[in-house]
Parts: sequence; C-alpha cells; structure tokens
Amino acid sequence: AQSVTQLGSHVSVSEGALVLLRCNYSSSVPPYLFWYVQYPNQGLQLLLKYTSAATLVKGINGFEAEFKKSETSFHLTKPSAHMSDAAEYFCAVSANSGNTPLVFGKGTRLSVIA
Amino acid sequence: NAGVMQNPRHLVRRRGQEARLRCSPMKGHSHVYWYRQLPEEGLKFMVYLQKENIIDESGMPKERFSAEFPKEGPSILRIQQVVRGDSAAYFCASSPGVQIPYGYTFGSGTRLTVV
Repeated sequence: AQSVTQLGSHVSVSEGALVLLRCNYSSSVPPYLFWYVQYPNQGLQLLLKYTSAATLVKGINGFEAEFKKSETSFHLTKPSAHMSDAAEYFCAVSANSGNTPLVFGKGTRLSVIA
Repeated sequence: NAGVMQNPRHLVRRRGQEARLRCSPMKGHSHVYWYRQLPEEGLKFMVYLQKENIIDESGMPKERFSAEFPKEGPSILRIQQVVRGDSAAYFCASSPGVQIPYGYTFGSGTRLTVV
C-alpha cells in the first residue's frame, strides 16, 4: 500500500524567496511520484512527475523536485516565489506496476507575501 | 482538444434527493477515476473505471454511491438519498492507459451542496 505525508498544511513565503514544500512517501514497491497544483475553484494540474528515470525532475512554472530513496522524500522547490504561485499543492504516489490509483497527501497551501 | 469535462460545476440537492455527476474523459482516454475532496483532507480515491467495467471501487461507500462508465457516453457518479455529509467537491480524472505513468488529467470538479 502507498501513502503520502505532506509536512505543513500551510506555508507562507515572501515574494522572491525560496519555496520548499515537503513530501514523504511510503510504498512497498518502487513508486511513481507526482506533484499537482490546485488554484481556487479549479481542478488539479500536473506540475511534474517522477517515473524512475532522473531523480531530479523539472516541471512547469520553474518548479522542480528531487526523489531521494534513502529519505523516502520528494520535496518540491522553486528558487524564487511569485505571487501567482499562491495555490494548494498536492503530492501523490502510485505503485510502479499496473495502474493503481494515485494516493494523495492532504495538501499544502502556499501563500506568497508581497 | 478538450480536457476532462465535468458537469454540472455546482449542484445543490436537498437531503434525500439523488445527485448525478457526469464526467467525459479526454479524447483517447479510456480510464476514469473519481475522487472526493473535503476541506483539510485532500483528495480521497473513490472508484476507478474503464469502459463498461469497474476496476477498483475500494474507496466507494458501501451504500448510496454507485458509478458507471458505459460504452457510449460519460461516466456517471450517482449518489442516492444524499445527506449533508456528502457535501464536497467531486473530481473526475482520466488517463490513457496503464503501461506508462502518464499521471492523470483532472476536470474542474462538481461542487455538491446538500441542504
């Protein structure tokens, strides 16, 4: 079975500061890992995904995440926050076999302060 | 190329009524997933369907909830005799297949309010 823990339900950063959103996973098999972003009253949009190729994954809008097996982590980062990054971010995991449904974390709400 | 289409966007039902939520997957996608989102709880998996088949319904409540994905037409999530606790945002997602982890494409959701 897979599970995801997102540390911090709410993160606040200043515009231009580093964004770091934490995600730790649990999986009995090699995982696929995803980050999604949700803007108010909208669906989820895929930011990036790890599929057992490169451990450093680059996504849209300047975000990237690094898969660290030893730490069972897949933290999301962005060097410089922009006001438009304010949204809710979800980490998700699925098993690296078959088509098991994605399991989502509870989400982290990112606020960007001018 | 239209994305995943969900309708209605907002649905208000009185306690005891039925709610029918529709989802048309992206063109070329044959796998559909339904999730429910409650405040502070993230997205909870409900059911995974392919055309005419329910593949995994481990997240579906045992009573009042059902889902289908017919050969023709959209996928339907049906909630009978709604209660206030059913108020939530319901999201549908689709993917093209199983061999490669495409990730899902999500619709904009249906926000169900039970009054």
